[in-house]
Amino acid sequence: DAGVIQSPRHEVTEMGQEVTLRCKPISGHNSLFWYRQTMMRGLELLIYFNNNVPIDDSGMPEDRFSAKMPNASFSTLKIQPSEPRDSAVYFCASSLASWDDNTEAFFGQGTRLTVV
Amino acid sequence: KQEVTQIPAALSVPEGENLVLNCSFTDSAIYNLQWFRQDPGKGLTSLLLIQSSQREQTSGRLNASLDKSSGRSTLYIAASQPGDSATYLCAVVNSGTYKYIFGTGTRLKVL
Repeated sequence: DAGVIQSPRHEVTEMGQEVTLRCKPISGHNSLFWYRQTMMRGLELLIYFNNNVPIDDSGMPEDRFSAKMPNASFSTLKIQPSEPRDSAVYFCASSLASWDDNTEAFFGQGTRLTVV
Repeated sequence: KQEVTQIPAALSVPEGENLVLNCSFTDSAIYNLQWFRQDPGKGLTSLLLIQSSQREQTSGRLNASLDKSSGRSTLYIAASQPGDSATYLCAVVNSGTYKYIFGTGTRLKVL
C-alpha cells in the first residue's frame, strides 16, 4: 500500500479564495483524521470520521471549515473563504479502529497551505 | 480533558549518547500511546505503539515504556546517531474514542 496520500503537497492562495485539500486513506482503514499543525499550537485534531461518518468535529475552528468523506477511499477538507491565519500544514491520517487497544495511526505527508 | 506534555522541548546531544525523551498525560484512561518521528517539512512516521495492557515496546535502538497509573511514557534511544535528529511526538488515544491527542514534541539534534 502507498500509505496515506494527500494532495496537493503545497498550496498558495489569496485571502478569500476557496481551498480544497484531499486525502486518500490506506485501503481497509475505517477511521480518518484531519489535523492542523502550526508552530504556535502544535498538532490539533480538526475532525474525525469513522466508517465515513463524522464522529467528532469539535476541533473545526469555524464555519469556514468543512470536511466530507463521500466514500471509504476519499476525504476532503475545504476552507471557504480562506484567511491568512489558516496558513499551516494540514495532515490526514487513517487507522483501522477496532474495539481493542491495537489501533495504529498512519499519517500522510501533509499539505502546506499558505494564504496571502 | 486530556493534556499531553513532552519534556524537554529541545535537546542537543553528542553522537553515541543514550537519551530519554519524556511524555506525560493527565488522563490515564487510554487505549494506547504512540511515538512518532517528524523530519523537517515531512509527515509523521510511526515508531512504536504501546497498548494500554503493555509496559514497553522495543524496535531496534528504540525502547518505549508506559506507566499508565502515573501518566508517563519514556522513549529511550540508544547510541544516538546524527540520523536520529528530528522532532519526536507522543500521542495518546483516550478510551472510548479513537482521537489521537498529541504532545508538543521534543526537537532532537544529535551532533
